[in-house]
Amino acid sequence: QKEVEQNSGPLSVPEGAIASLNCTYSDRGSQSFFWYRQYSGKSPELIMSIYSNGDKEDGRFTAQLNKASQYVSLLIRDSQPSDSATYLCASYNAGNNRKLIWGLGTSLAVNP
Amino acid sequence: GAVVSQHPSRVICKSGTSVKIECRSLDFQATTMFWYRQFPKQSLMLMATSNEGSKATYEQGVEKDKFLINHASLTLSTLTVTSAHPEDSSFYICSARPTLRDTQYFGPGTRLTVL
Repeated sequence: QKEVEQNSGPLSVPEGAIASLNCTYSDRGSQSFFWYRQYSGKSPELIMSIYSNGDKEDGRFTAQLNKASQYVSLLIRDSQPSDSATYLCASYNAGNNRKLIWGLGTSLAVNP
Repeated sequence: GAVVSQHPSRVICKSGTSVKIECRSLDFQATTMFWYRQFPKQSLMLMATSNEGSKATYEQGVEKDKFLINHASLTLSTLTVTSAHPEDSSFYICSARPTLRDTQYFGPGTRLTVL
């Protein structure tokens, strides 16, 4: 059973702090990894994709991938109350019927 | 770029009626689209994978005769909920994957309420 696991939270951080969201996956054949943000009552929106070991930065967001440890993380710098949402991690293996394997999401609350 | 639209955004219908939801990729072609359902405070649940020009692949436990999927072009997939019942009330979300890419882009979702 291919799985992606996330801590459900809630993760609570003060405004301006760094929020660290973590995700582990079981399928060693996974090639791509994605972070989506979902506000309550809305559909998910793509934040970051990462394919290679190491860090990938985009504005206040940094995705980190460690394939040896089967671990993906998302760092949000200078967290804002508007970052409060559920963050979904997903992995992709082209051999898996082209589906994304989803984590259940981590709820993040940024407190003013 | 990578915009996906869904229509309608909200629908209320009587029990026993059928409801059709459209999902369109506006600025890219999508060989594959996906249909998800999400109940309040629960995680996304993949219902089916829609492939242009071929039959959809349904996840275990999803009734293919109840949730009809048609993907007739590279930019349009439709989900028809047939003979809807109150337990079908949910947030239905589609996503589309640009051809030859692995990223999925989501539509805004359709909130279905069956009375």
